Amino acid sequence: EPEVTQTPSHQVTQMGQEVILRCVPISNHLYFYWYRQILGQKVEFLVSFYNNEISEKSEIFDDQFSVERPDGSNFTLKIRSTKLEDSAMYFCASRWGQGETGELFFGEGSRLTVL
Amino acid sequence: EDQVTQSPEALRLQEGESSSLNCSYTVSGLRGLFWYRQDPGKGPEFLFTLYSAGEEKEKERLKATLTKKESFLHITAPKPEDSATYLCAVQSASGSRLTFGEGTQLTVNP
Repeated sequence: EPEVTQTPSHQVTQMGQEVILRCVPISNHLYFYWYRQILGQKVEFLVSFYNNEISEKSEIFDDQFSVERPDGSNFTLKIRSTKLEDSAMYFCASRWGQGETGELFFGEGSRLTVL
Repeated sequence: EDQVTQSPEALRLQEGESSSLNCSYTVSGLRGLFWYRQDPGKGPEFLFTLYSAGEEKEKERLKATLTKKESFLHITAPKPEDSATYLCAVQSASGSRLTFGEGTQLTVNP
């Protein structure tokens, strides 16, 4: 069964360092997303991406964050200068389309720990 | 602002003891209501999407229903492997984001 894959599964970094989280969405999907979940809290939307541009972003997604689809398969989230409060599980998600409705599939997540 | 409230926060059942989880929502035009299962340290696993009031969907021991204000996830004769956190989320007509609730942590004892 097709699945969203994410790397790394866990990354530890020092405050102020740049981090890149990688995702391979399901191959025929058109819409891509990043969500995050701070330990013990709810899943929060960060950004959506379609047709090689951001279609929606949340208040969390400030200038420290960026997304990119560098080739036909990868989708990345970059945090330029990490802060302690960026420690969370980051989930990539994708969906096929249907006017941006329909099933939304999540990856297993990348746990980011900022020291 | 879209809001999702799930209840109870935690539910402990005996194997075979059926029950329901509640998801109340407010949204400016519902595009879809989503149910996910999440195991500890894992990503949300898709269960159902419901689009309009009166709609129902079933999968094994789970059945999801939708009204204009809330959704229920009914669990019939649960097994220990159904133990997980169940998440509800809504997508409004105006955007692409899902707004999640806090989840219901379900424990099924053998």
